[in-house]
Amino acid sequence: DGGITQSPKYLFRKEGQNVTLSCEQNLNHDAMYWYRQDPGQGLRLIYYSQIVNDFQKGDIAEGYSVSREKKESFPLTVTSAQKNPTAFYLCASSSRSGGENNEQFFGPGTRLTVL
Amino acid sequence: KQEVTQIPAALSVPEGENLVLNCSFTDSAIYNLQWFRQDPGKGLTSLLLIQSSQREQTSGRLNASLDKSSGRSTLYIAASQPGDSATYLCAVARGTALIFGKGTTLSVSS
Repeated sequence: DGGITQSPKYLFRKEGQNVTLSCEQNLNHDAMYWYRQDPGQGLRLIYYSQIVNDFQKGDIAEGYSVSREKKESFPLTVTSAQKNPTAFYLCASSSRSGGENNEQFFGPGTRLTVL
Repeated sequence: KQEVTQIPAALSVPEGENLVLNCSFTDSAIYNLQWFRQDPGKGLTSLLLIQSSQREQTSGRLNASLDKSSGRSTLYIAASQPGDSATYLCAVARGTALIFGKGTTLSVSS
């Protein structure tokens, strides 16, 4: 089955801890994205990557870091510098970035809660 | 700065009714517009993508239209069913990533 997987489904973090959210895709897509969803708000872009070993900041990158060492993987680290990390995190991918045909597909999400 | 608005925020209808969800955007320079469905606690499922050069797309009981000049898109759902209950999100492509509206939460009662 082709698709996007995210793990874990639920994650709990203590104050001051860094945590890493996993995102894997087997769609052979070049571009991958991380979004954050808060209640009553639209999704907001954290980071995106158009190709291996390259990534760009989105609208709310402060307190987050990413890596793109493999085409199929785009992990997100939520650092202790992120002041309000409790949210639902969604990973997405598309065959290429930009253009009319850039349809994005989403994973099932990770819900992060700070204790 | 691109802004995407969805009205209404919530909608309740009886089963079998045809309905329209609205999406508006402030900058007409878009690559495409996507409609998504989100069930509670789940990820997003892509429903339809309308390229900027297109006026509408259809998939089963769903029909989405796009009017770039007025900055509007509509999602038409025919013969609604209880299984259609979910939050519907529209998003416009700005360069690489998507700009999302806050969604319309639809409830279809049997």
